[in-house]
Amino acid sequence: NAGVTQTPKFQVLKTGQSMTLQCAQDMNHNSMYWYRQDPGMGLRLIYYSASEGTTDKGEVPNGYNVSRLNKREFSLRLESAAPSQTSVYFCASGEYEQYFGPGTRLTVT
Amino acid sequence: RKEVEQDPGPFNVPEGATVAFNCTYSNSASQSFFWYRQDCRKEPKLLMSVYSSGNEDGRFTAQLNRASQYISLLIRDSKLSDSATYLCVVSSPGPYGQNFVFGPGTRLSVLP
Repeated sequence: NAGVTQTPKFQVLKTGQSMTLQCAQDMNHNSMYWYRQDPGMGLRLIYYSASEGTTDKGEVPNGYNVSRLNKREFSLRLESAAPSQTSVYFCASGEYEQYFGPGTRLTVT
Repeated sequence: RKEVEQDPGPFNVPEGATVAFNCTYSNSASQSFFWYRQDCRKEPKLLMSVYSSGNEDGRFTAQLNRASQYISLLIRDSKLSDSATYLCVVSSPGPYGQNFVFGPGTRLSVLP
């Protein structure tokens, strides 16, 4: 009964490095989302995917790219990490209610 | 004005107290409403959906006032385990599906 899984749980990057955050869901949802959560800012939508093969920008997409690999998987890529991208990243899925993964804590130094 | 606003908190209450959280939203096209709870360093988890007629789940009662664009959550007989941040979430139709907007959250500490 996995729900939404994310890898890695923790990551430290140097400025300019790249990385991909992975997300998978086993609930057969069409919609998947990537959020970042910063103290005092709440959850902000980075990108979302309404169905396999489609992706759209959310509130804070700059510096990120996404890939909806198939119905289960939705990845988030940082091409050139910046300290401003230090955050906790959550993946979620669901059409009516959203279900979240455990998050990735990313620090960019 | 933020799209979803909540009481700034934190709320510190003794065990057994009743505590109420308030939330307002600005988008009149909003269709669905939820309360999530988030424990420290964990992901948000759905607590309950909020229906127009109001709904109750054990010690938790949620109310919606569409005219005032206001949502509330009442917790009765609060337990230590209720300590968490409570997030108000509002969704509205977007071009590609539902658009979810999260409030900043209100932190609750239930004290022994």
